[in-house]
Amino acid sequence: GENVEQHPSTLSVQEGDSAVIKCTYSDSASNYFPWYKQELGKRPQLIIDIRSNVGEKKDQRIAVTLNKTAKHFSLHITETQPEDSAVYFCAASKRGGDMRFGAGTRLTVKP
Amino acid sequence: DGGITQSPKYLFRKEGQNVTLSCEQNLNHDAMYWYRQDPGQGLRLIYYSQIVNDFQKGDIAEGYSVSREKKESFPLTVTSAQKNPTAFYLCASSITGGVGYTFGSGTRLTVV
Repeated sequence: GENVEQHPSTLSVQEGDSAVIKCTYSDSASNYFPWYKQELGKRPQLIIDIRSNVGEKKDQRIAVTLNKTAKHFSLHITETQPEDSAVYFCAASKRGGDMRFGAGTRLTVKP
Repeated sequence: DGGITQSPKYLFRKEGQNVTLSCEQNLNHDAMYWYRQDPGQGLRLIYYSQIVNDFQKGDIAEGYSVSREKKESFPLTVTSAQKNPTAFYLCASSITGGVGYTFGSGTRLTVV
């Protein structure tokens, strides 16, 4: 089955700096890669996703890149703000399959 | 709760007791999933169902059971065989397997 690895497990940045979180996946058939943000005690919220026919997608301060050949994808947050502090999860899935999550990255943005 | 409702929000279980967590969705989604989240960790798949009356084990199914008698409902029973059930349980649904998840707000289960 699919195995998703995520790094780093914790990340601390100064407000205004950029943050990058990286994930790798094992199943070459995976074709959908979402990123979720989870605040303490709450449900994960989808923040951005990318499909395998696209190499990069951007939404304001958030971008995701995908390298299918290397089977890795990354989340980029620019101009970080304290409210970006949360746990971020990457995930991978394929049509007809379930979704597997990375272990999460705890991002802290220091004012 | 965005079309998918989990109840209760908090649940306390005594040793040796079975408890059932409810998950209901009105999104007309075919697929439903149960994940377990331990403190500081990611989401681990317990069970999932792509269609009514059918479900598959995930990575950590031991000590859990599910049913899918209706499209809208996917209850999870934590049995006494689950030795360490204290965790945050998340239910999710999607239109087709693996795409476009919507999460419920979660149930926090504690063994007392």
